[in-house]
Amino acid sequence: NAGVTQTPKFQVLKTGQSMTLQCAQDMNHEYMSWYRQDPGMGLRLIHYSVGAGITDQGEVPNGYNVSRSTTEDFPLRLLSAAPSQTSVYFCASSYFLAGGQETQYFGPGTRLLVL
Amino acid sequence: DAKTTQPPSMDCAEGRAANLPCNHSTISGNEYVYWYRQIHSQGPQYIIHGLKNNETNEMASLIITEDRKSSTLILPHATLRDTAVYYCIALGGGSQGNLIFGKGTKLSVKP
Repeated sequence: NAGVTQTPKFQVLKTGQSMTLQCAQDMNHEYMSWYRQDPGMGLRLIHYSVGAGITDQGEVPNGYNVSRSTTEDFPLRLLSAAPSQTSVYFCASSYFLAGGQETQYFGPGTRLLVL
Repeated sequence: DAKTTQPPSMDCAEGRAANLPCNHSTISGNEYVYWYRQIHSQGPQYIIHGLKNNETNEMASLIITEDRKSSTLILPHATLRDTAVYYCIALGGGSQGNLIFGKGTKLSVKP
């Protein structure tokens, strides 16, 4: 198992550019999510999905779009990058239980710098 | 999900037990206590979780008070590789698994 993989590892964008951060998992997990982490802060939830075709917003969704067409992949799209989106982005996945009690596996992160 | 409170930082000598406290005084009956840690620049890593009873695995032990208002994560023999930020999270039914991270406790293990 590769676990949760994220690409790219590092990206520099100019303000207004668009890009897609890729996340894939090979554990057949229903639940996937995206977090961002700013310096000295904990992780904040951007968007999440409880299965293919189902997505929902987290705490800080503005400026980001997601889709979930397959169980394995959960890409995060920045339509028009802003300097405020400079951050480290983590993807996570887990089995989904109604009670929410399932451990999550995190990817290695994508470091994004918007100039 | 209940809010948790942790000290911002702690030190521990290598080889000694590290005891990391967490306060969750508003925790509800169906909320579990989860611990994750984040070693510098890496993705968070699951450590342990529990509901009422004390739990132990190969990484750590979790002691939950009888009233469930606080808990302690114990790393029995801390090593330099245990230097990380440790997050205590209360998570229960209806949350759909969304973890809410605070600032955690920065544990520094010193030789």
